[in-house]
This record gives sequence, C-alpha cells and structure tokens, in this order.
Amino acid sequence: ELKVEQNPLFLSMQEGKNYTIYCNYSTTSDRLYWYRQDPGKSLESLFVLLSNGAVKQEGRLMASLDTKARLSTLHITAAVHDLSATYFCAVPGGYGGATNKLIFGTGTLLAVQP
Amino acid sequence: DSGVTQTPKHLITATGQRVTLRCSPRSGDLSVYWYQQSLDQGLQFLIQYYNGEERAKGNILERFSAQQFPDLHSELNLSSLELGDSALYFCASSPSLKAFPYEQYFGPGTRLTVT
Repeated sequence: ELKVEQNPLFLSMQEGKNYTIYCNYSTTSDRLYWYRQDPGKSLESLFVLLSNGAVKQEGRLMASLDTKARLSTLHITAAVHDLSATYFCAVPGGYGGATNKLIFGTGTLLAVQP
Repeated sequence: DSGVTQTPKHLITATGQRVTLRCSPRSGDLSVYWYQQSLDQGLQFLIQYYNGEERAKGNILERFSAQQFPDLHSELNLSSLELGDSALYFCASSPSLKAFPYEQYFGPGTRLTVT
C-alpha cells in the first residue's frame, strides 16, 4: 500500500528565512503533485513534477523530485506572510491512465511570523 | 476558480440522516474524484468515476455511494450519518485518462457537520 509522509507537520518560520518541506513516498511513481490549501478553502495546484531530477520554481517556492530516493522537496526562499498555508504533496495511487487517484501526505502547516 | 463547482457549501444534519453532495466538473472533463478531509484521517480518496463508470474505489464506507450522470455531474450520497462523518468533502475533475499528466482540479468543497 502506497504511503506518503511529509515532514515537518508544522513549521513556524520568520519572514525572510529559508526552509524545506520533505515528502517521502513508499512505492515507485513517475510523478508527484504539490498543492496549497488556505484554511477552510480548496486545494490549489502548485507544481506537477514529472520526472527524476525535475525542478520547478514559482516565486519563492521551488519543488524538486528524486524518483530513485522516492523523495520530493518544497523549498521556501525568504518566506513572506502570504505563504502561510498548509502544503500537501500527493502521489498517484494507480498505474498510468487507469486511475489517477491521489494519495496525499499528511500536510505541512506553514506559519510565517513577521 | 478551478471551474469545478460543488453544492451545497455547508450542510448541517443530524445523525442517522442521509445527504447528497453534488459536483459539476470542469467543462470537458470526464473524470470525477471524491475526497474526504478530516482532522483525524487527513485527505483520503473515496471514489473515482470516468465517463459515467466507476473507475477506482478507496476507503469509502458502505454507507456511502456515488454516481456520475450522462451530463458528467456527480453525486455523493452519504447515509446513516455518524458524528465521525463530519468532514470537508472535495470533488476534483480531470480530463481524459489519456491527458497526461492527469492533473486534478479541485472544487471548493462541501463542509458537512453531523450533530
């Protein structure tokens, strides 16, 4: 059974600091997704990582994927308060196009303090 | 706005009751996924429909059922409700199963409170 783990579960950061969220998964996957969720809101797609060594950047967020290590990272550079949210990684629980049901990590609650 | 709509936004009901949650996918999307988000279980996949047919099942209780209609909207039926069913229920849609990378677009969710 596919398991997806994130750490840390909670991250309190000061504005301007850098930090990394880690996402480990237990079985082979050719892609990984990162989502952001504001309190009580829906999930917003941040990144789709499609291959080993993939790196994507948007603003202060950069995501990478190492399929051999079954590890993805979400790096936050010079955090600002607007980045405060819960971040989820997700891995497909089925093969290819048969189903793309997503198995989500536990989520990381990021709180950026002024 | 993802283009996925869900109704109602909020639902408060009593234990033992039955409710129906509705989801309209993005225009042209054939797949609909249902997820449950609760404090103790996190975000869990429940069930997927593709072009009217059930495609995959997750940790969905027998008291729960879903269907996808010819116009591609989907309904999730929850019956004999228990306090533990209180959660945020999300619907997500994605295009054809051949549309790599199969990205899913999430609706705003329905918050169910069982009292």
